[in-house]
Amino acid sequence: AQSVAQPEDQVKVAEGNPLTVKCTYSVSGNPYLFWYVQYPNRGLQFLLKYITGDNLVKGSYGFEAEFNKSQTSFHLKKPSALVSDSALYFCAVRDADLNDMRFGAGTRLTVKP
Amino acid sequence: GEEVAQTPKHLVRGEGQKAKLYCAPIKGHSYVFWYQQVLKNEFKFLISFQNENVFDETGMPKERFSAKCLPNSPCSLEIQATKLEDSAVYFCASSQSTSGNQPQHFGDGTRLSIL
Repeated sequence: AQSVAQPEDQVKVAEGNPLTVKCTYSVSGNPYLFWYVQYPNRGLQFLLKYITGDNLVKGSYGFEAEFNKSQTSFHLKKPSALVSDSALYFCAVRDADLNDMRFGAGTRLTVKP
Repeated sequence: GEEVAQTPKHLVRGEGQKAKLYCAPIKGHSYVFWYQQVLKNEFKFLISFQNENVFDETGMPKERFSAKCLPNSPCSLEIQATKLEDSAVYFCASSQSTSGNQPQHFGDGTRLSIL
């Protein structure tokens, strides 16, 4: 069965600094990996996905994620954080052969001015 | 529509009452998913549909929970004889196909409060 782990409940960074939100995955086949963001009282918004190809995936709002097969990781990154990036971030994995998606527990990102 | 529409936004029920939540997927999306988000933010998969057919119901509690997606109607999630532990935000999502590379598009959720 597929699963993801987000080892950090919270990440705090200063505005303008780079940010990383960590995610590791476990899947039996080839993984499809996703990052979503959740703002207060809203549903999940899709940020980016990894299917195959380049290990560095670029997504919405300046976010990118690096797929590392040997470390089974898919960390979310942004070179320069904004206060408006403060939100809850979820990593998700879907096995290529299955339809359902499994989400991590979420990481709350706080960007301080 | 262009967005997943969930109604109502908030639903309050007394313990033991029935609760019914609705979801209109994005037009043209064949797959609908229901998730439960509890206080610790964890998303628990409940059930998925391919059009009106149940695709995966491995996450659905065996008792009290049921769901439907009927043609030309919003999908629904119904909880009979609600319990305090059913209090959560219920999210619906839709996607175009079974292809694993398709992201799911989420509605803004229904906050269910059981008193």
